Amino acid sequence: EAGVAQSPRYKIIEKRQSVAFWCNPISGHATLYWYQQILGQGPKLLIQFQNNGVVDDSQLPKDRFSAERLKGVDSTLKIQPAKLEDSAVYLCASSLASTDAAEAFFGQGTRLTVV
Amino acid sequence: AQSVTQLDSQVPVFEEAPVELRCNYSSSVSVYLFWYVQYPNQGLQLLLKYLSGSTLVKGINGFEAEFNKSQTSFHLRKPSVHISDTAEYFCAVRPGGSYIPTFGRGTSLIVHP
Repeated sequence: EAGVAQSPRYKIIEKRQSVAFWCNPISGHATLYWYQQILGQGPKLLIQFQNNGVVDDSQLPKDRFSAERLKGVDSTLKIQPAKLEDSAVYLCASSLASTDAAEAFFGQGTRLTVV
Repeated sequence: AQSVTQLDSQVPVFEEAPVELRCNYSSSVSVYLFWYVQYPNQGLQLLLKYLSGSTLVKGINGFEAEFNKSQTSFHLRKPSVHISDTAEYFCAVRPGGSYIPTFGRGTSLIVHP
């Protein structure tokens, strides 16, 4: 079974530029998550989708971050414009459902460096 | 808001020695508890989880954890570590009825030969 795929693996941009990350979840997984992991910290949930609908985006900085999952499968996370403090690893995860017992499977992440 | 404290940022240990990684969380009526492992340049992998039932939970790679409600702790243990266990370990808590898990800052386990 293929895992969660993310691209690119690494990205370096200048501040005020835009960037987009792509995630392909495990086939059949209805729930998709985007996390931000700043160096030395645990992952922080940015947004959770159930199929193509947003379940929770309370921790997403909506002035510069956006995410979509138009067909309920792939998802993109965008930052526009980027700030230095956005440097982090962005992790995508998916699970069969959003119920408590569901296990989330994580991709390898995209490491963003803003200079 | 829920908080998770991993008391040790780094735990060095010799191979074949036992190890305990500590995790405490702020109290809630009901919680679900998780331990994840993250190898270098990899995503997180679930080691074990506590949802209900027995307070001693066994996971993959010989790890186990014990839920202690009175002490609001969920410490991770392994009786004998291997070099390959060197990684970052994250404790996570998810209150019942909430979709949002809170992760601790992580504990770096360093196993020396």
